[in-house]
Amino acid sequence: AQSVTQLGSHVSVSEGALVLLRCNYSSSVPPYLFWYVQYPNQGLQLLLKYTTGATLVKGINGFEAEFKKSETSFHLTKPSAHMSDAAEYFCAVSEKPGANSKLTFGKGITLSVRP
Amino acid sequence: DTEVTQTPKHLVMGMTNKKSLKCEQHMGHRAMYWYKQKAKKPPELMFVYSYEKLSINESVPSRFSPECPNSSLLNLHLHALQPEDSALYLCASSREALGQWGNQPQHFGDGTRLSIL
Repeated sequence: AQSVTQLGSHVSVSEGALVLLRCNYSSSVPPYLFWYVQYPNQGLQLLLKYTTGATLVKGINGFEAEFKKSETSFHLTKPSAHMSDAAEYFCAVSEKPGANSKLTFGKGITLSVRP
Repeated sequence: DTEVTQTPKHLVMGMTNKKSLKCEQHMGHRAMYWYKQKAKKPPELMFVYSYEKLSINESVPSRFSPECPNSSLLNLHLHALQPEDSALYLCASSREALGQWGNQPQHFGDGTRLSIL
């Protein structure tokens, strides 16, 4: 069975500082991995996804994530935080075709950005 | 602007009312989803439609009744809801359903915020 762990519920950084949001997954088969962002009163927006190929994935708004199979991790980073990055971030996993799989979300983490 | 449109944005209803939530997409996607999201929690999958057929029902109570009239539209009919059903209801779509081509990302609407009195 697949699962996602996002440790902590809240991360606070200063504007211009590095953003690091951690995600670890568990999957019985090679996974597909996603990061979604949810701004207040909005739906979820896809930031980036890993399917196959290059393990460093670049997404929108300057975010990127690295798939590390040995660590079962898919951490999200951004070199310099902006006030507009304040939002809820969800890591999600789905298993590759062949399984009756679904998108399983982590519990989410709130990012605050201080001026 | 999101490519998945949900109406209404807000809905307040009594426990004896019947109402419907609507979702529309024009991206040619063949899979559509309903999720329920409580505050500060991740979305919980309710239903999946693939090629207009219900493929996943996550043991959702019968007071929630989904309908997919065509490939662009998805409805969620509500009847005799309980206060604990108050939540944000999100619709999503993807090119194919997970389990067929699992790398297809889901595109979400902005949701309907439902309050049950």
